[in-house]
Amino acid sequence: RKEVEQDPGPFNVPEGATVAFNCTYSNSASQSFFWYRQDCRKEPKLLMSVYSSGNEDGRFTAQLNRASQYISLLIRDSKLSDSATYLCVVNENSGNTPLVFGKGTRLSVIA
Amino acid sequence: DGGITQSPKYLFRKEGQNVTLSCEQNLNHDAMYWYRQDPGQGLRLIYYSQIVNDFQKGDIAEGYSVSREKKESFPLTVTSAQKNPTAFYLCASSSERTLPQHFGDGTRLSIL
Repeated sequence: RKEVEQDPGPFNVPEGATVAFNCTYSNSASQSFFWYRQDCRKEPKLLMSVYSSGNEDGRFTAQLNRASQYISLLIRDSKLSDSATYLCVVNENSGNTPLVFGKGTRLSVIA
Repeated sequence: DGGITQSPKYLFRKEGQNVTLSCEQNLNHDAMYWYRQDPGQGLRLIYYSQIVNDFQKGDIAEGYSVSREKKESFPLTVTSAQKNPTAFYLCASSSERTLPQHFGDGTRLSIL
């Protein structure tokens, strides 16, 4: 199995800051890409899918560069409630197949 | 409400004991998965099943066993052969229509 690598973190940022997370994946044949959010001692929850053209959901923007095998997540105007661990996730195959998870980057937004 | 239910939330295992973690889903998803998460680590795949009566080993299957007799149920047994079972166990499910995976709220297993 190939790997997904993320910034180790933790990132400690003030409220209102913009923060960027980076992720690289080693399997060039990977099919689909996601960011999950995991709160402390909770299950991961899907934050957003990542599309080749880039996509935005409110304060969150995800980008994918297939040539560089690089995924990013940008959070603008950080809120205290954004504090969590952000997991970069890759599906190496199509369809109903297991996902490969990065170890996650912890974000703490400070008042 | 549709969802994935894991039980129990907390489980304690004695040395030499087998324990079974329950995972039930009423989402009509074809595929189900078991992951293990250790502190500060990513999720690692234990077993997965894409269809009833069939399952495949993941990256860390040793010391674990599963069954998939019904579409909605995918129990995980942690056997005495698993020497370091203390972890957070997460069950997930998915279908072609609703990718990617959705997770249950997990079971924390500890050694007594």
